[in-house]
Amino acid sequence: RKEVEQDPGPFNVPEGATVAFNCTYSNSASQSFFWYRQDCRKEPKLLMSVYSSGNEDGRFTAQLNRASQYISLLIRDSKLSDSATYLCVVSSEGRRALTFGSGTRLQVQP
Amino acid sequence: SQTIHQWPATLVQPVGSPLSLECTVEGTSNPNLYWYRQAAGRGLQLLFYSVGIGQISSEVPQNLSASRPQDRQFILSSKKLLLSDSGFYLCAWTDGGKVAFFGQGTRLTVV
Repeated sequence: RKEVEQDPGPFNVPEGATVAFNCTYSNSASQSFFWYRQDCRKEPKLLMSVYSSGNEDGRFTAQLNRASQYISLLIRDSKLSDSATYLCVVSSEGRRALTFGSGTRLQVQP
Repeated sequence: SQTIHQWPATLVQPVGSPLSLECTVEGTSNPNLYWYRQAAGRGLQLLFYSVGIGQISSEVPQNLSASRPQDRQFILSSKKLLLSDSGFYLCAWTDGGKVAFFGQGTRLTVV
């Protein structure tokens, strides 16, 4: 079983739609959680951290469910510029590096 | 502010040739440094990480090696490339916190 699993998509949505991605992680000792965004043929960039109480950054909302070991990202009012691959990322105690999911591809269409 | 430089941006190498990719970080001291590889349409695979000069941890056994000759320099090498070494190689750093910042990546094609 992969440490971090995501639906690869693609998610094809019209502009203005609301879309949600889920991610599950296998290590119950995981401590920190993030969403990264990766544009085609570019490096990943931090989108937002995910806090236990949930957090919001503009049109983006992240949620963490430790009991079920999943993380979600909600994007409201999708823009064409939101088209990218969204990577779920987990940090675990004792590991020096982050573990990345394979990503979920989002395509927002006009 | 901190910046990370990685070069070259693209590279085409024949099978059996050597490889050297370099990454440098500016604006910080004693960063944790990482090499990841991303195959086409796949996730990021951690190859090596380093918490200090001369300290290298390997995550995946393969024909690649890494070195950290200076605090802010991280080098990925191979003596003989294989076709399966093709991919997008990314250098990253953290300051001991959890957020990783990536270089622009090297797209390697082994032919």
